[in-house]
Amino acid sequence: AQSVTQLGSHVSVSEGALVLLRCNYSSSVPPYLFWYVQYPNQGLQLLLKYTTGATLVKGINGFEAEFKKSETSFHLTKPSAHMSDAAEYFCAVSGPSGSARQLTFGSGTQLTVLP
Amino acid sequence: EAGVAQSPRYKIIEKRQSVAFWCNPISGHATLYWYQQILGQGPKLLIQFQNNGVVDDSQLPKDRFSAERLKGVDSTLKIQPAKLEDSAVYLCASSLNARGDETQYFGPGTRLLVL
Repeated sequence: AQSVTQLGSHVSVSEGALVLLRCNYSSSVPPYLFWYVQYPNQGLQLLLKYTTGATLVKGINGFEAEFKKSETSFHLTKPSAHMSDAAEYFCAVSGPSGSARQLTFGSGTQLTVLP
Repeated sequence: EAGVAQSPRYKIIEKRQSVAFWCNPISGHATLYWYQQILGQGPKLLIQFQNNGVVDDSQLPKDRFSAERLKGVDSTLKIQPAKLEDSAVYLCASSLNARGDETQYFGPGTRLLVL
């Protein structure tokens, strides 16, 4: 079985400040890790994903995440927050075979950007 | 490229009534998913299709929920009869195939309120 824990259901940052959204996962197989963003009344959009290879992954809109196997973490960062980054962010995990291929989501982190 | 289409966007019904949701995936995507997203939670997979066959419906409440994907393209999800706890956003997603590292593309969702 696999699971995702997102620490902090709500995070507030000032415009221009560092964004850090935390994600820890549990998986019995080598994980594939994803970050999705959801704007109000919209579906989820992929920000970035880790499958294999380089552990630092760059995504859209200036976001990046680093896969740390020893810490079972995949935290999302952005050096400078913009007002347009305000949204809900979901971390998700899947795996290479069997039932692990199913995408399992965390409960989400609502990001507020203060002017 | 057109995205995943869903209709209706909003639906309000009374408990014990029936309701149906429609999804048209991205052209050429063999795999289609239905997720339930309850307020404050991440999406939970209800059912996964590969072409017109069911791959995983282990979390579908089969006493009241049904889904089909005739001809391997668009899909419908039905609830009959609805309960209060079915109030949620129903998200449809599609991907090229069912590999665990494949990106899923989400539609805007159908917001269901059961009174």
